[in-house]
Amino acid sequence: DQQVKQNSPSLSVQEGRISILNCDYTNSMFDYFLWYKKYPAEGPTFLISISSIKDKNEDGRFTVFLNKSAKHLSLHIVPSQPGDSAVYFCAASAYGSARQLTFGSGTQLTVLP
Amino acid sequence: EAGVAQSPRYKIIEKRQSVAFWCNPISGHATLYWYQQILGQGPKLLIQFQNNGVVDDSQLPKDRFSAERLKGVDSTLKIQPAKLEDSAVYLCASSSRTNPGEQYFGPGTRLTVT
Repeated sequence: DQQVKQNSPSLSVQEGRISILNCDYTNSMFDYFLWYKKYPAEGPTFLISISSIKDKNEDGRFTVFLNKSAKHLSLHIVPSQPGDSAVYFCAASAYGSARQLTFGSGTQLTVLP
Repeated sequence: EAGVAQSPRYKIIEKRQSVAFWCNPISGHATLYWYQQILGQGPKLLIQFQNNGVVDDSQLPKDRFSAERLKGVDSTLKIQPAKLEDSAVYLCASSSRTNPGEQYFGPGTRLTVT
């Protein structure tokens, strides 16, 4: 049972345009969500997070939106740069679960110059 | 601040052999995690330590996998005997008490079982 789903295995975007990566979850106990970026042969790197008390969090070119009623979150990257090409993982945790992370399967983002 | 260190980076073994991975978390991080990432999937938690105690090992295949964090700092994960389906990247992560929700990952060990 996949509690965190990233339905798009890959996404290609032109440099300078917006990249939108999507994530859906099924566990209503999740209250903290994170996005990680992963380059080949490296471990995932924390990118941005959002608590369930918010519906938006912004950090530079990266914005995460949370729609609790739809159990959906998205990561917007504006403008996209070639260095953003990586696999992006959505992750979620629930209060009281020792903050264990449940990961989605990832989306490979390719930013074309 | 030094990141999470893992070794070796790559390991190739034959099935039924044993293998061990080492992890040194970020200094001061009380919580340490071991994940298994199979190609095309997200990381899956195997075991979580708080200091030198096990918080959760429900996803660890205990008939062949074992892990320890004896002094509450570095940790080892062992597989004995290995199976073909154990081929994966093994990731170690750590987090602090003040921000337990954010985990910092090491570069991982890519294990190939032939």
